[in-house]
Amino acid sequence: GAVVSQHPSWVICKSGTSVKIECRSLDFQATTMFWYRQFPKQSLMLMATSNEGSKATYEQGVEKDKFLINHASLTLSTLTVTSAHPEDSSFYICSAPRLGGFNEKLFFGSGTQLSVL
Amino acid sequence: GQQVMQIPQYQHVQEGEDFTTYCNSSTTLSNIQWYKQRPGGHPVFLIQLVKSGEVKKQKRLTFQFGEAKKNSSLHITATQTTDVGTYFCAEPSMDSNYQLIWGAGTKLIIKP
Repeated sequence: GAVVSQHPSWVICKSGTSVKIECRSLDFQATTMFWYRQFPKQSLMLMATSNEGSKATYEQGVEKDKFLINHASLTLSTLTVTSAHPEDSSFYICSAPRLGGFNEKLFFGSGTQLSVL
Repeated sequence: GQQVMQIPQYQHVQEGEDFTTYCNSSTTLSNIQWYKQRPGGHPVFLIQLVKSGEVKKQKRLTFQFGEAKKNSSLHITATQTTDVGTYFCAEPSMDSNYQLIWGAGTKLIIKP
């Protein structure tokens, strides 16, 4: 299967700082990357869809100025949580379809546990 | 809007007992996918069902897709500790060809 590498695995930061999360497709080119947020004991909530070379598409209720997504290459997408606050503490996880086609299975990164103090 | 209902939220079983989780959609589906997320881990793809009435097996796991392609189930026979985790179904979004709509997940818990 395809490999998606996500870093860091966990991060603790002070309120007001910014945190960047990287997601790399190691053995395929990801034209599309999905960013999810998952609260404890809950399902995956899609935050945004990033497309290589174009602006990300954000889901309703997700602040695009707070959650900056950059997909500058076919193997790297980044999510930056700007001016993080305790309510942003969550598990963030990226995923991508290998071929970028319809109804494809998704390959997930290992996730980033963000704790904002 | 499009919804997928997954039940139960939790299932506690003794090791060796069976486990089943069900998903029901508000729409007729082209396909449905199943994923497993171990505690502290990330979702891992298990299978995709496409055909009406399809039944697929992976060792002790049996996946079914309803005749009307609106519901699906995952059944695990004789659970083992390695089966612990949360099982999610996911269906294609009607609004986007690339996105998935996720069920709430069913957490399999093995009683000590």
